[in-house]
Amino acid sequence: AQSVAQPEDQVNVAEGNPLTVKCTYSVSGNPYLFWYVQYPNRGLQFLLKYITGDNLVKGSYGFEAEFNKSQTSFHLKKPSALVSDSALYFCAVRGSTGGGADGLTFGKGTHLIIQP
Amino acid sequence: GAVVSQHPSRVICKSGTSVKIECRSLDFQATTMFWYRQFPKQSLMLMATSNEGSKATYEQGVEKDKFLINHASLTLSTLTVTSAHPEDSSFYICSARDPGRGWNQPQHFGDGTRLSIL
Repeated sequence: AQSVAQPEDQVNVAEGNPLTVKCTYSVSGNPYLFWYVQYPNRGLQFLLKYITGDNLVKGSYGFEAEFNKSQTSFHLKKPSALVSDSALYFCAVRGSTGGGADGLTFGKGTHLIIQP
Repeated sequence: GAVVSQHPSRVICKSGTSVKIECRSLDFQATTMFWYRQFPKQSLMLMATSNEGSKATYEQGVEKDKFLINHASLTLSTLTVTSAHPEDSSFYICSARDPGRGWNQPQHFGDGTRLSIL
C-alpha cells in the first residue's frame, strides 16, 4: 500500500526567500508523484509531477521538485517566494490505499505562509 | 487545459435528505472519474473510482449504499449521498484524467462541494 508523509503542518517563509515543502513517500514499485495546491474552498490545482527521467522536475508558477530515490523524498521548492504562494500544498502518489491503481493517495497537506 | 466542473458548490440540507453532486469533464471524455472527501484541516481521502458504464470501485471502509455513484456518460459522474446525516458533512471533490493525453497525465480537480447536513 502507498503512503505519503508531509512532516510539517505549516511552513513560514519571508517573501523573496527560497522555500521548501517536504514530502516523503512509500510505494511498492515505481513511484508516480505529484504536487497540488489548494486555495480556500477550492479544488486542487496541479503543480508538477514526477513519472520518470530527470530528478529535478519543473512545474507551474516557478515551482520545482527534486525526486530522491534513496531518501524516498519529493520536496517542493521555489527559489523566491511570493505572498500569493500562500496556500495549502499536497503531495500525492498514484495508487490508493485500497489498491486502486489510478486514484491518488495524499499527504496530510502543508500550509505555506509567505510573510511580506 | 482540461477542465472539470462540479455542481453544486455548496449544499445545506436537513438530516435524512439525499443529495446529488455532479462532476463533469468539460473538454475531454473521461472513462474514469474519482471522488474524494476532505474533512476540515485534513487531507483528501479517495472514496471511490467511478467507471463509465460499469460499477464504481469503492475504497475500504466506504459504504456503497450510502454513497451511490453513477457514471452514465463519458463526461458525467454523480455522487449521491443517501439519507444524509450530520457526520456526512464534508467537502467532496471529484477529479478526472484525460486519457487522450496519455497514461501519465495528472488528475484535474473540480472546485469541490461543501455539504452541510443540519
